[in-house]
Amino acid sequence: EVQLVESGGGLVQPGGSLRLSCAASGFTFSSYEMNWVRQAPGKGLEWVSYISSSGSTIYYADSVKGRFTISRDNAKNSLYLQMNSLRAEDTAVYYCARDGGWAAHFADYWGQGTLVTVSS
Amino acid sequence: EIVMTQSPATLSVSPGERATLSCRASQSVSSNLAWYQQKPGQAPRLLIYGASTRATGIPARFSGSGSGTEFTLTISSLQSEDFAVYYCQQYNNWPLTFGQGTKVEIK
Repeated sequence: EVQLVESGGGLVQPGGSLRLSCAASGFTFSSYEMNWVRQAPGKGLEWVSYISSSGSTIYYADSVKGRFTISRDNAKNSLYLQMNSLRAEDTAVYYCARDGGWAAHFADYWGQGTLVTVSS
Repeated sequence: EIVMTQSPATLSVSPGERATLSCRASQSVSSNLAWYQQKPGQAPRLLIYGASTRATGIPARFSGSGSGTEFTLTISSLQSEDFAVYYCQQYNNWPLTFGQGTKVEIK
């Protein structure tokens, strides 16, 4: 069974940093591309970042470029999102999502999400 | 950036009736279009990819159609568990973009 479990969310002050993790199981993590998608309270879905299976190709939404860094450790079956210079508008549930792969960048499995709140 | 526009924002439907949801792209996305269902407090669930292919385990009452810029998700006979918010997403170009969602509510 595919499982994605996010952790690392919490309350952080504006300008602060947070590192999210996503533990993957039930599939060959090193073979799959991965994404982070977020959802502000009461709002729709927003794609945040993508990383290829090897980590060699990375994309970011303009809203987080230069502040967020996606990475992965295939030996640990884990995906990460380092978030710096956080703003109030980054407040959201952050989902880790497995990519459909082979240029089919839909999300076929999602974690339960972790809430990030940016507030003073 | 490709803008995805869903209509209507809210759809009121009686159980057993058909629901038709629309999604329009600001430029062609070919058939690189997915649909998701999200219930309150839950993560989204993939329903359709490639505009018309049902994901694993998705009931046959869900169907997708369209290509280019116009897409439709049809739920042939609404069940109680189908009342939720539905999102479309294009994956033809970066950045990946979602529609704003259509809420299907009980009439």
